[in-house]
Amino acid sequence: GESVGLHLPTLSVQEGDNSIINCAYSNSASDYFIWYKQESGKGPQFIIDIRSNMDKRQGQRVTVLLNKTVKHLSLQIAATQPGDSAVYFCAENSPWGGKIIFGKGTRLHILP
Amino acid sequence: EAQVTQNPRYLITVTGKKLTVTCSQNMNHEYMSWYRQDPGLGLRQIYYSMNVEVTDKGDVPEGYKVSRKEKRNFPLILESPSPNQTSLYFCASSDRAAKNIQYFGAGTRLSVL
Repeated sequence: GESVGLHLPTLSVQEGDNSIINCAYSNSASDYFIWYKQESGKGPQFIIDIRSNMDKRQGQRVTVLLNKTVKHLSLQIAATQPGDSAVYFCAENSPWGGKIIFGKGTRLHILP
Repeated sequence: EAQVTQNPRYLITVTGKKLTVTCSQNMNHEYMSWYRQDPGLGLRQIYYSMNVEVTDKGDVPEGYKVSRKEKRNFPLILESPSPNQTSLYFCASSDRAAKNIQYFGAGTRLSVL
């Protein structure tokens, strides 16, 4: 989602529950949509991507859903663990590969 | 170990004093990018390069220069830094065949006084 000023949207989830992080994208011509995870003090790390001609892709404990009708992307994390605590960014990749646009990020907070 | 190395990790400088942040990758990647990260704004792409001697502007290129003379290096140059360039900078690289899987450096925190 969108952030206001210095504050990131925050999602608080109980350990063991499923997390769903949402993202709205802007460019219908984007070729790929990507999720990155950024832990405190580190650079972003690739999680999973999905091509624009797909609507669902699964990885290990993660699923990405793409709804092109409403330009919406979501990341589902199953059985959330303390190590999932991070800021999650969605990103769009242009068809020619070089230009990448990131969303503003969502902070995932795990409750014990 | 496959990695993207940025230097320096921290830098405090004054307005107008030219500086260069280096970035080097050891994965033989074709694609490299520079981003800045500011609170509430996420990561914004400054410049990217799809191969040696090929560079293009991202969303926020004003006040920055880059060069790609060798495949492994992609330095970011601030000719005349200003306080609004105070930020956290990340370099990233990816393989052409897996362009979405970017590997990021650890970041360079720059303060311009």
